[in-house]
Amino acid sequence: TQLLEQSPQFLSIQEGENLTVYCNSSSVFSSLQWYRQEPGEGPVLLVTVVTGGEVKKLKRLTFQFGDARKDSSLHITAAQTGDTGLYLCAGARAGGTSYGKLTFGQGTILTVHP
Amino acid sequence: GAGVSQSPSNKVTEKGKDVELRCDPISGHTALYWYRQSLGQGLEFLIYFQGNSAPDKSGLPSDRFSAERTGGSVSTLTIQRTQQEDSAVYLCASRAGTYLSTDTQYFGPGTRLTVL
Repeated sequence: TQLLEQSPQFLSIQEGENLTVYCNSSSVFSSLQWYRQEPGEGPVLLVTVVTGGEVKKLKRLTFQFGDARKDSSLHITAAQTGDTGLYLCAGARAGGTSYGKLTFGQGTILTVHP
Repeated sequence: GAGVSQSPSNKVTEKGKDVELRCDPISGHTALYWYRQSLGQGLEFLIYFQGNSAPDKSGLPSDRFSAERTGGSVSTLTIQRTQQEDSAVYLCASRAGTYLSTDTQYFGPGTRLTVL
């Protein structure tokens, strides 16, 4: 059972275009994180959102956490070739004993062409 | 060290052999995680260590998989009688270990395991 559905799985765009990646679940998460991973490396944290409705901006990247804390989106404005990579969302569940245990989405492979 | 390190970076083995994968977490981090990642896919949780508590082994796919963490630092993931479906990148991550879900997990570069 995939608790976090990420879409699209593949995204191929031209430099300068905008894009949005979605992360959806039927479960509530206490926080949600977005990671970027390049080939041969581990994922690197981009942002953590914790409050329903929260919007965070990181230069050309905008992250949103849904009001019910079940979904999130990543929007990239004016994509650059350097944005190419695998984008992963990951949610942490509230409560329980495994604090910090993350559930990952399947990932979105983004390719930005010059 | 400055970051999480893993060894070996690549491991090719024959079906049925045992393998050991090593993870050196960031110094002082009490939480350590193992994940498995298939090509271009998301991460599958395997096991979680937090200080001296009993590890959360709920993600281990079979009894061929085991992990230990010695002295609260270095961890070894062991796969016995490897199968071709075990081929994947095995990632280790460490976290400072506070009981905050927003704590950052720092990932190592992974070990790419290929079972022939």
